Amino acid sequence: DIQMTQSPSTLSASIGDTVTITCRASQSITKWLAWYQQKPGRAPNLLIYMASSLQSGVPSRFSGSGSGTEFTLTISALQPDDFATYYCQQYASDAGTFGQGTKVEIK
Amino acid sequence: QVHLQESGPGLVRPSETLSLSCSVSGGSVSTNYWSWVRQPPGKGLEWLGYIYHTGNTNYNPSLKSRLTISIDTSKNHFSLNLTSATAADTALYFCARGGDLKVTSRLFDSWGQGTLVTVSS
Repeated sequence: DIQMTQSPSTLSASIGDTVTITCRASQSITKWLAWYQQKPGRAPNLLIYMASSLQSGVPSRFSGSGSGTEFTLTISALQPDDFATYYCQQYASDAGTFGQGTKVEIK
Repeated sequence: QVHLQESGPGLVRPSETLSLSCSVSGGSVSTNYWSWVRQPPGKGLEWLGYIYHTGNTNYNPSLKSRLTISIDTSKNHFSLNLTSATAADTALYFCARGGDLKVTSRLFDSWGQGTLVTVSS
């Protein structure tokens, strides 16, 4: 199985900050990577697919980059609604594994 | 806009079968791939398996021996059966829509709200 490792596990930031979350795959997944946002008690929401494509309706302050085994999610000018947990997910292989999550909290 | 809604018992006894259904509205289960994803309390997300309208399925290897996903195109819903439930199966269970190609089968653009299932005697 392909393992996905996110860092950091928790990130403290202020409104207006730019934050970056990293996701590493245990083997190459080319660009078959997605990012989701999840708030407590809610379903995840797709933000980014194909590593860097913005899902329809998602604000442009969210951006993704990377290929192969290293990927990043960047949130520019953090807004109050952005405090949540973020998951990367590879969909290159059958198991469709998720990272362990990164919680973005208010500093 | 497609809407997914999970339903099923909130409490399952150990060793029994955990059964859930996902009703789809605003779209047809005869297109796209349809998955189950779960999240134990306070933990991360785990993809369980998917089904296509042809009946083709693919399961997470860790659950393959206990999991069955089925689909009813006439009722526009799909279902999950997980046998021999244990406390480790306690989780928030989500149904989700994948893409319409196999390569995007596990890319989820629509989700149900989730249903909490507790396995306990």
